[in-house]
Amino acid sequence: EADIYQTPRYLVIGTGKKITLECSQTMGHDKMYWYQQDPGMELHLIHYSYGVNSTEKGDLSSESTVSRIRTEHFPLTLESARPSHTSQYLCASSEWGAGGTDTQYFGPGTRLTVL
Amino acid sequence: GDSVTQMEGPVTLSEEAFLTINCTYTATGYPSLFWYVQYPGEGLQLLLKATKADDKGSNKGFEATYRKETTSFHLEKGSVQVSDSAVYFCALRIQGAQKLVFGQGTRLTINP
Repeated sequence: EADIYQTPRYLVIGTGKKITLECSQTMGHDKMYWYQQDPGMELHLIHYSYGVNSTEKGDLSSESTVSRIRTEHFPLTLESARPSHTSQYLCASSEWGAGGTDTQYFGPGTRLTVL
Repeated sequence: GDSVTQMEGPVTLSEEAFLTINCTYTATGYPSLFWYVQYPGEGLQLLLKATKADDKGSNKGFEATYRKETTSFHLEKGSVQVSDSAVYFCALRIQGAQKLVFGQGTRLTINP
């Protein structure tokens, strides 16, 4: 069973606030990911990382930023939250697998509401 | 481009009914295929996977077979329970690529 944690689980904040969503994993996985999930359920990759000091943008353009200073930690930051950022944010991690077989394990998600 | 198409939901069944959720894919390379399940208020959990043609993934009574000839990975369960109510996502990952490509999700509700 995967050990990947996200805090907070739920967050309601006002427009213009700076927020950081935390994601940690205890499996020693090199690769980590952030997905944004619409209310209509569709998932979009917004950031990923191959390892320490590596960050890449995903398919969906996002105003958020990420950092990867430690293997186990991959926080996501919004400098100035807006109502359009209201969504569920899911963090995932995986190890390198032969032939593209590595499996992504997901955290429980953070449901963000910006008023 | 790479894509996954799932059976449209919502799907509502009675307990002990047979379940099929269809999933077909389009891929430019050789994908691994996955089914994830999301229970209310939770993140995604890996349900099963298959990494090459004719592989069958199975877990918790669910199974899916990687069919290259029909580019499909349909999810089946012989007898569903109320606790199976959730959203199910089919996904693929191309060898060498980083991201998972998800289908749109299928919401399943099982009535007692």
